[in-house]
Amino acid sequence: GDSVTQMEGPVTLSEEAFLTINCTYTATGYPSLFWYVQYPGEGLQLLLKATKADDKGSNKGFEATYRKETTSFHLEKGSVQVSDSAVYFCALSASNTGNQFYFGTGTSLTVIP
Amino acid sequence: GAVVSQHPSWVICKSGTSVKIECRSLDFQATTMFWYRQFPKQSLMLMATSNEGSKATYEQGVEKDKFLINHASLTLSTLTVTSAHPEDSSFYICSARVIGTSGRTNYEQYFGPGTRLTVT
Repeated sequence: GDSVTQMEGPVTLSEEAFLTINCTYTATGYPSLFWYVQYPGEGLQLLLKATKADDKGSNKGFEATYRKETTSFHLEKGSVQVSDSAVYFCALSASNTGNQFYFGTGTSLTVIP
Repeated sequence: GAVVSQHPSWVICKSGTSVKIECRSLDFQATTMFWYRQFPKQSLMLMATSNEGSKATYEQGVEKDKFLINHASLTLSTLTVTSAHPEDSSFYICSARVIGTSGRTNYEQYFGPGTRLTVT
């Protein structure tokens, strides 16, 4: 079945460091891919998405490119800030599975000044 | 746009009592709403899919008699945790899927802020 595997955390970085959180997926159809962010005590917020191969999603300095050949959707940011500290979830949704969302286990990021 | 609210944001109840959590889509209509459960430092686990006007579809292992879901309108779904026990303490998150109009894609889900339930 469809699934998402993402890099285990926690990840701790210094401010202005480069961030990569790996995400790979398994899907039988043609999924859309998402990154969600969850700040402490809050619900999920959509960070970015990509709906087809080679699409690049971007928002707030974060980017991720839908790579069909490697079934990946890695999240990157060139210079993290303390305010980026949160848990990041990779997810997929495919029409052949009723658009149900499959989430990765989440990666906790802490950025220290 | 595409705001989903949940009420209450947190609740503490005694063991054996029932708790109702509301999920509302504020500026759009949602034929389908989803209920998730999240344990500390874990991912979201889909509990059930709620379609307006019909019975909810529960995921394997989720007790439908314990977690009652009602989707009475296109903007409201409720989750009632009946006879709550301490092991039901968790963060419950709902999401809503738009009907695919007004420039919004019909596969994206919009998440509520979550409800933290503590059963003592």
